Amino acid sequence: DADVTQTPRNRITKTGKRIMLECSQTKGHDRMYWYRQDPGLGLRLIYYSFDVKDINKGEISDGYSVSRQAQAKFSLSLESAIPNQTALYFCATSDRASRGGTQYFGPGTRLLVL
Amino acid sequence: AQSVTQPDIHITVSEGASLELRCNYSYGATPYLFWYVQSPGQGLQLLLKYFSGDTLVQGIKGFEAEFKRSQSSFNLRKPSVHWSDAAEYFCAVAAIYSSASKIIFGSGTRLSIRP
Repeated sequence: DADVTQTPRNRITKTGKRIMLECSQTKGHDRMYWYRQDPGLGLRLIYYSFDVKDINKGEISDGYSVSRQAQAKFSLSLESAIPNQTALYFCATSDRASRGGTQYFGPGTRLLVL
Repeated sequence: AQSVTQPDIHITVSEGASLELRCNYSYGATPYLFWYVQSPGQGLQLLLKYFSGDTLVQGIKGFEAEFKRSQSSFNLRKPSVHWSDAAEYFCAVAAIYSSASKIIFGSGTRLSIRP
């Protein structure tokens, strides 16, 4: 079984709808991250969480919110989706004890906002 | 500020040929450096990482990378590519002693393999 899972894997929604992307991990890591990937732009950090009570904005947090329900779960919400949020979204985890903070990624969620 | 540049957007090489993917970083101190690979429809998989010590790092799938401080580079190499190496490759840099929130990814290089 995969260590980092994301649901759904694909989602089509309409402008103005609220949607939630979920991430779960069995790696036992304390740190979790949400990125979006756009062609030619690489990965950009949306939010990150160092533990259940520690959530921080990344470089592109506007229009997004997150919830860390447990150490193993980190959800990303789009409160009112807009077309330019169409992208591939990745969840990642890392272990604070890991030198350099190597991150491990889920398979991604492909989101299309019409 | 940290940054990562991958100057080649798309590279095509013949199967069996050697490969070098370029990566340049900007950071004031010794960085942590990573190469990730993303196969079509998949997430990112760690190929290798450099933290300190030997500047030539071996990774999975026969890849290696060399850290050159004088050139601020961390190029990825493979002596003989296979069709299954077709994917997108991302170089990334993290600040040493970082909280791990500051991993910066390059924009990626897409590798195609010519039969």
